[in-house]
Amino acid sequence: DIQMTQSPSSLSASVGDRVTITCRASQSSSRYLNWYQQKPGKAPKLLIYAASSLQSGVPSRFSGSGSGTHFSLTISSLQPEDFATYYCQQSYNTPFTFGPGTKVDI
Amino acid sequence: QLQLQESGPGLVKPSETLSLTCSVSGGSISSGNYYWGWIRQPPEKGLEWIGTVSFNGATYYNPSLKSRGSISVDMSKNQFSLNLSSVTAADTAVYYCARVSGDEYNRADHWGQGTLVTVSS
Repeated sequence: DIQMTQSPSSLSASVGDRVTITCRASQSSSRYLNWYQQKPGKAPKLLIYAASSLQSGVPSRFSGSGSGTHFSLTISSLQPEDFATYYCQQSYNTPFTFGPGTKVDI
Repeated sequence: QLQLQESGPGLVKPSETLSLTCSVSGGSISSGNYYWGWIRQPPEKGLEWIGTVSFNGATYYNPSLKSRGSISVDMSKNQFSLNLSSVTAADTAVYYCARVSGDEYNRADHWGQGTLVTVSS
């Protein structure tokens, strides 16, 4: 299985901050990398797919980059509704696996 | 707008079978462009991909389930279902159903709200 790690595991930020979350794969995942946002008590929401493609309806302040084993999610200007946990997921090899999550709070 | 809704018992005894159904509205499950999947999240933990089914019944299961999982589709009801046999406390989780893109990126782009299943005697 491809193991996914994320850093940091949590971070504190303020409204307006630029935030970057890193995701690493234990072996190459090419560009088969998706990012999800999850708020407490809610289902995850797809933000980014194929490493850098913005899902329809997702604000443009979210962006993704990377390929191979190193990926990142950037929020250009953090908004109050962005405080949540973010997960990466590789879809290069089955079983598809998720990172452990990065919690973004105030 | 596509909506998915999980249903099923919230409490299952150890060694029994967990059975959940996902009802899909606002779109047809028979669309050939998508798979339909189950993903779970133990309390205060991360996400685990359980498996998927296509409209024609082709399935994929995470090997971590050790052959305990079964996913099926009922096109007449626009539903798909998960059965997980011989459950233990480790299967306690919020179970989500989701639509998964049929392209190579396998992204879960629509999710149900999730249902908590507790395994306990």
